[in-house]
Amino acid sequence: RKEVEQDPGPFNVPEGATVAFNCTYSNSASQSFFWYRQDCRKEPKLLMSVYSSGNEDGRFTAQLNRASQYISLLIRDSKLSDSATYLCVVNAHGSGNTGKLIFGQGTTLQVKP
Amino acid sequence: GAGVSQSPRYKVAKRGQDVALRCDPISGHVSLFWYQQALGQGPEFLTYFQNEAQLDKSGLPSDRFFAERPEGSVSTLKIQRTQQEDSAVYLCASSFAGTQPQHFGDGTRLSIL
Repeated sequence: RKEVEQDPGPFNVPEGATVAFNCTYSNSASQSFFWYRQDCRKEPKLLMSVYSSGNEDGRFTAQLNRASQYISLLIRDSKLSDSATYLCVVNAHGSGNTGKLIFGQGTTLQVKP
Repeated sequence: GAGVSQSPRYKVAKRGQDVALRCDPISGHVSLFWYQQALGQGPEFLTYFQNEAQLDKSGLPSDRFFAERPEGSVSTLKIQRTQQEDSAVYLCASSFAGTQPQHFGDGTRLSIL
């Protein structure tokens, strides 16, 4: 079983739609959580960090449920430019851990006109 | 520019050849990470440096893979006796400290024929 699991999709949605991605992680010691965005043939870029209290950045909302080891990303009012792969990422800190990032497979989003 | 720089951008090698991939991190960044990304997958951790010290090499797939960062800035990932399964994008990331957000380079796309 992978440490971070995501539905690879693809998710095909019309412009203006709301879409949600989910992710589960297996290491209960994980301490930091992120969503990265990766465009085709480009490097991953940090989209947003994810906090237990939930956090919002414009049209993007991230949620973390530590008890269920579950992370989500909600995108409202989808734009064509949102088309990309969204990577769920976990960072295990603490003794013996280096801060390395553990990536999910990624979920592909295609927003259509 | 001020970002992480990787070279070459593309590398084609014959099976059995040795290759060397270079990473120039953001100036002042203490932490440097190497990841391997296979087609359709998320990046997977290879190794981590804090300054010149290689503190974690648990992700290196075999003893054919070797990384160094002798002066605590530029890093080189070397793969000896390349095999077809080594074909992937190799991403370098740096951060101010191990737990700070990581900034990725464009990657080196390695193809082994």
